[in-house]
Amino acid sequence: EDKVVQSPLSLVVHEGDTVTLNCSYEVTNFRSLLWYKQEKKAPTFLFMLTSSGIEKKSGRLSSILDKKELFSILNITATQTGDSAVYLCAGGGGADGLTFGKGTHLIIQP
Amino acid sequence: DGGITQSPKYLFRKEGQNVTLSCEQNLNHDAMYWYRQDPGQGLRLIYYSQIVNDFQKGDIAEGYSVSREKKESFPLTVTSAQKNPTAFYLCASSWTVTTEAFFGQGTRLTVV
Repeated sequence: EDKVVQSPLSLVVHEGDTVTLNCSYEVTNFRSLLWYKQEKKAPTFLFMLTSSGIEKKSGRLSSILDKKELFSILNITATQTGDSAVYLCAGGGGADGLTFGKGTHLIIQP
Repeated sequence: DGGITQSPKYLFRKEGQNVTLSCEQNLNHDAMYWYRQDPGQGLRLIYYSQIVNDFQKGDIAEGYSVSREKKESFPLTVTSAQKNPTAFYLCASSWTVTTEAFFGQGTRLTVV
C-alpha cells in the first residue's frame, strides 16, 4: 500500500524564521512528488518534483527531491504570517492518482 | 474562467438520507477525483475516474457512489450506508493520474 508520511504534523515559529517541512514516501511506480498549500478550503499547487537533486524555487519557497532516500523537503525562508497554512505532500505514481500525507500545520506568530 | 466548481459549499442533511455533491470542471481534464478530509487528517481518496464512463474505488469507497457520464462532471452521492458522512469533501481534476491536481473549493457536509 502506498504511503506518504509528513513531519512534523504541526509547527509554530516566529515571523522571519526559516522552516523545513519533511515528506517521506513509498509509492509504487513513483513518478512525481507534489506539494500543496491549504489555507481554508482548496489546496493550491506549489511544486511538482520529478528529478532527484534539482531544487525548485518560487520566491521564499523551495523544494528538493531525493529519489534514493525517498524523501522531499519544503523550505520557507523569512516566514510571514501569510505562510500559516497546512502544507500537504503527495506522491504520484500509482494508477489511482496521488497519495497524500496528513499534512504539516504551520503557524507563523507575529 | 477555467476551474473546478463544487456545489453547494455547505450542506446539511438528516441521518438516513442520500445526498449528492456536485463537481464540474472546464479544464478539459480526463481524470477526476473525490477526496474526503477529516480534522487532523490528510486527503483520503474516495473514488477516481480516468476517463468518461469509467471510475474506480479509492481507499474509502464504502457508502459512496459516483458517475462519470460527461467529461466535465463527476457527482458524488453519499448514501445512508456511509457510517460517518460528516466531513469536508474535495473534488479535483488533472490531465493524468500523476500530474498536478487542481481542486475545487470543497463542500462541507454535516449530517445530523
